[in-house]
Amino acid sequence: EAGVAQSPRYKIIEKRQSVAFWCNPISGHATLYWYQQILGQGPKLLIQFQNNGVVDDSQLPKDRFSAERLKGVDSTLKIQPAKLEDSAVYLCASSSQHTDTQYFGPGTRLTVL
Amino acid sequence: AQSVAQPEDQVNVAEGNPLTVKCTYSVSGNPYLFWYVQYPNRGLQFLLKYITGDNLVKGSYGFEAEFNKSQTSFHLKKPSALVSDSALYFCAVRDLGGNTPLVFGKGTRLSVIA
Repeated sequence: EAGVAQSPRYKIIEKRQSVAFWCNPISGHATLYWYQQILGQGPKLLIQFQNNGVVDDSQLPKDRFSAERLKGVDSTLKIQPAKLEDSAVYLCASSSQHTDTQYFGPGTRLTVL
Repeated sequence: AQSVAQPEDQVNVAEGNPLTVKCTYSVSGNPYLFWYVQYPNRGLQFLLKYITGDNLVKGSYGFEAEFNKSQTSFHLKKPSALVSDSALYFCAVRDLGGNTPLVFGKGTRLSVIA
C-alpha cells in the first residue's frame, strides 16, 4: 500500500511570496490533515478535512493560509503572502473512517528568507 | 483543553539497556493516546496507541507503552535499546469522547550509544 505522498520536499522562498504544497493521501482514506511543525516543537494541526468538507480549521491563519480538497482525494495548502515565521515543515496525514490512526507523509520543509 | 508533556528534551541510553521515554497528558474525558517516531527528514511513523483495555500496549519495533490513569502517564519503553532506535519521539493525545484534534508533545530526542 502506497503511503501519503507530498511535494515538493523542500522549498525556499522570500517573504511576501506565495507557495503551495500538495498532498495525496493513502487510497481510501476519507480524512486528511495538514500540520505545521516548527523546529523543536511537535506538529500543530492547521486543518482537517473529512472527504471534501472542512472539519476543523480553527488554528489555520486564514488571512494568509488556505487549503482545499475539492474532489475529496488530494489536497493543496497555500500560503500567500509568506512570513519569516512560516518557516517550518508542513506535514500531511490521512486516516480511514474505521480508525483514528493517522499516517504521515514525509513533509515539505519550507524556508522563508 | 488537551495537553501533553514530555518532560525530557533528550534521553541517552547505552545499546542493550532498557529505555523509557516519558509522557504525561491532560484531557477532560477518556484519553486516546499515541506514540509516533520521527527519523531525520522523514514524516512521523506510528508506533502504538491506547484506547481501552490492557494498560500495557505493544507496538512496532519492540516498543511498548504503559497507560497509568492515576498518574495520567503513558511512558514509552523498550527492554533493550538499539542504535537504530535513535530518533525523535512524540506522544500525542486526544479526548476519546469529543471531536477534538490530536495534540502532540514537543518531542523527546532519544540517543542510543553503542
